[in-house]
Amino acid sequence: QVLPQESGPGLVKPSETLSLTCTVSGDSISSYPYYWGWIRQPPGEGLEWIASIYYDGSTYYNPSLKSRVTMSVDRSENQFSLKLSSVTATDTAVYYCARHNFGSVSRPFDSWGQGALVTVSS
Amino acid sequence: QSALTQPASVSGSPGQSITISCTGANSDVATYNRVSWYQHHPGKAPKLMIFEGNKRPSGVSNRFSGSKSGNTASLTISGLQADDEAHYYCCSYVGSFWVFGGGTKLTVL
Repeated sequence: QVLPQESGPGLVKPSETLSLTCTVSGDSISSYPYYWGWIRQPPGEGLEWIASIYYDGSTYYNPSLKSRVTMSVDRSENQFSLKLSSVTATDTAVYYCARHNFGSVSRPFDSWGQGALVTVSS
Repeated sequence: QSALTQPASVSGSPGQSITISCTGANSDVATYNRVSWYQHHPGKAPKLMIFEGNKRPSGVSNRFSGSKSGNTASLTISGLQADDEAHYYCCSYVGSFWVFGGGTKLTVL
């Protein structure tokens, strides 16, 4: 069973950079044909895809967030990470990491973490 | 960025069937097999229920099914059970971009 698990600070100050790590157990982050992604859910709102990455560093970014987002992979630790710069209160959300199955034409997110609440506040 | 429209809420009694719609603003769901559906119980990890429009992952009950008409994809849940009460989200893969619907709260009466 694949178990992604988010970790990182729960509180970030406005204008600073939000940093989260997803540690994957039960599967290698280098497994084909899986990408690894981040999705967020602001309080009371729906889900928003942020970005996805392959073990070789290939990435897809949501155009609305692309200028502020960086993703990276650490194969030795079986982890991948998200950095979101210049955060504001609108970036307050539960952040989920998930496995992304590129073996399917719908590229679904087939395993999700429990989520990590990140609050942007001074 | 396109958006997928879902009803805010639906409800049904145990044993009944309900359908949740997901309508694309452009041609998001016209490509039928690029739609997936997720179940989300509050505080838990979202769960993939349907992919490629109408396929179920291993372990998902056959009470869940997907369909499409025009630019609207639908999720049908038959034989409603109390544990089906959750939020449901559709998602469409559009080129190199993934867009979610706003979510539908299913209440089992």
